Amino acid sequence: NAGVTQTPKFQVLKTGQSMTLQCAQDMNHEYMSWYRQDPGMGLRLIHYSVGAGITDQGEVPNGYNVSRSTTEDFPLRLLSAAPSQTSVYFCASRLGQGGFGYTFGSGTRLTVV
Amino acid sequence: GNSVTQMEGPVTLSEEAFLTINCTYTATGYPSLFWYVQYPGEGLQLLLKATKADDKGSNKGFEATYRKETTSFHLEKGSVQVSDSAVYFCAHSQQGAQKLVFGQGTRLTINP
Repeated sequence: NAGVTQTPKFQVLKTGQSMTLQCAQDMNHEYMSWYRQDPGMGLRLIHYSVGAGITDQGEVPNGYNVSRSTTEDFPLRLLSAAPSQTSVYFCASRLGQGGFGYTFGSGTRLTVV
Repeated sequence: GNSVTQMEGPVTLSEEAFLTINCTYTATGYPSLFWYVQYPGEGLQLLLKATKADDKGSNKGFEATYRKETTSFHLEKGSVQVSDSAVYFCAHSQQGAQKLVFGQGTRLTINP
């Protein structure tokens, strides 16, 4: 089992460029989420999905889009990169709500210059 | 609102010392509680969890007890090792909610 796989691991973008962060899981988890991690701020939820075809916004969704066409994949799109989006991005999945813990990917470190 | 407050770091201890990292939360009802660990350059890994009051989660020598009366979930370990050096995150998940609410993290360094 690979778990949650994120690509790329590192990326540098220029302001205004767009890109897609890839996330795939092979555990047949229904729930998937994207978080960003910034120093001193813990992890903040960007977008989440409770199943294929269903997505919703988290607490910091502006500037990001997601889609969930399959159970396995949950890509995160940056529409027009800004320096404020410099962060470490984590994709996570879990089997269900409540007491089910998340499995996290290893992260994508994004720098916007 | 829902939140998690963790002991501020960084925390530096000597090997074999006793560890406590405090965590308190605000939430409605009975959330599930988690501790995650993040080693340098890696994603978060679930360390332990508890889903109801008085439950004790344990893993790799770490323990935490769900205390509803004090809304706390303090992480403890009796004898830490250098390999325990990492950032530790407390989190909760409300019933029916997708979101995990995280604390800010506590950086732990263990010196030999």
